[in-house]
Amino acid sequence: NAGVTQTPKFRILKIGQSMTLQCTQDMNHNYMYWYRQDPGMGLKLIYYSVGAGITDKGEVPNGYNVSRSTTEDFPLRLELAAPSQTSVYFCASSYGDGYEQYFGPGTRLTVT
Amino acid sequence: ELKVEQNPLFLSMQEGKNYTIYCNYSTTSDRLYWYRQDPGKSLESLFVLLSNGAVKQEGRLMASLDTKARLSTLHITAAVHDLSATYFCAVDLAGGTSYGKLTFGQGTILTVHP
Repeated sequence: NAGVTQTPKFRILKIGQSMTLQCTQDMNHNYMYWYRQDPGMGLKLIYYSVGAGITDKGEVPNGYNVSRSTTEDFPLRLELAAPSQTSVYFCASSYGDGYEQYFGPGTRLTVT
Repeated sequence: ELKVEQNPLFLSMQEGKNYTIYCNYSTTSDRLYWYRQDPGKSLESLFVLLSNGAVKQEGRLMASLDTKARLSTLHITAAVHDLSATYFCAVDLAGGTSYGKLTFGQGTILTVHP
């Protein structure tokens, strides 16, 4: 099993550009999450999904969108990138409530 | 709003010594998680604590949960250099289905030196 995979690993965007961060898991987990981690800080939840077709906002959703058309994939879309979105983005998945989350390797995004 | 606070935020330890990292949270919860992150890497799950009084141990690390005090501890015994990393606690809101939405602490940067 590959676990949780993310692409790309690194990306530099100009202000106002858009991009999609890809996330795939092969563990058949229903729950998936997107977090951002700013330097020296803990993780903050952007969006989450409890199954295909079901998504909801987390703590910091502004400037992002998600979709979940399959169990495996949970892409995160950034529209009109801003410098405040410079961060490391982690995707995670879990079996359900009370289970550990498995994290992907992260995408380091810089917006200049 | 759920707040999670860890202390200390920075911990420099000598090899062979013992120490404890504390994780306090602000509202009722009975689900707490500990993760480890190496520099530039992803997060790795260490412990899942799901009830008051839960204690789990793995190697030189032991975690416990006191839901009445809203406190979890991560105890390090006889530290070795390989334990150098950032440790995060994360809390799940209590009461039914929370969908695993976690609130993370700021992290404790642990450095173990000879």
